[in-house]
Amino acid sequence: GQSLEQPSEVTAVEGAIVQINCTYQTSGFYGLSWYQQHDGGAPTFLSYNALDGLEETGRFSSFLSRSDSYGYLLLQELQMKDSASYFCAEVTGGFKTIFGAGTRLFVKA
Amino acid sequence: DSGVTQTPKHLITATGQRVTLRCSPRSGDLSVYWYQQSLDQGLQFLIQYYNGEERAKGNILERFSAQQFPDLHSELNLSSLELGDSALYFCASSAKAGTNTGELFFGEGSRLTVL
Repeated sequence: GQSLEQPSEVTAVEGAIVQINCTYQTSGFYGLSWYQQHDGGAPTFLSYNALDGLEETGRFSSFLSRSDSYGYLLLQELQMKDSASYFCAEVTGGFKTIFGAGTRLFVKA
Repeated sequence: DSGVTQTPKHLITATGQRVTLRCSPRSGDLSVYWYQQSLDQGLQFLIQYYNGEERAKGNILERFSAQQFPDLHSELNLSSLELGDSALYFCASSAKAGTNTGELFFGEGSRLTVL
């Protein structure tokens, strides 16, 4: 089967660093993606890891450990506009993408 | 703007009715995905098409069906609607042929309300 686990909610202050973890269990795993979704909006792609290690894109970084079936999204220098839901998603064979339940991030002033 | 177009943006209908949601993928994208998102829930994968053929099925009810046409646009048909079908339905596209960056491009969604 396929399932992803991530925390339901995280709260942090402006300017801080926050890490959102994701564990997955699947066969046919290709890679792990991360998406951001603001209330009422469409999910937007943040990053993708197919290989072990850290991928950095501006204030956001994503990490993957295939041996541990684990990844995380790291958000640095948090801003109020980062308040949103963050989803990890497995990319499997045939480009099938399965999403986790999402982590709601609240950024406080 | 992701380049993925979904219509209608909003739809209100009654239980027992049937609706069709339409999606035009980004130019050149061969894969279309449909997802359902109920209030404060995650994205539930429904079905995927690649170049006109069904590629993968998720938790799609038998009352729901979809297809992808030769021009690559896709339609999701929802029939015998129930109150619990009220949700945001997203279409996403990906994969210009031969590439896989793991990136899906989402449309703005079709919000269905069943009364």
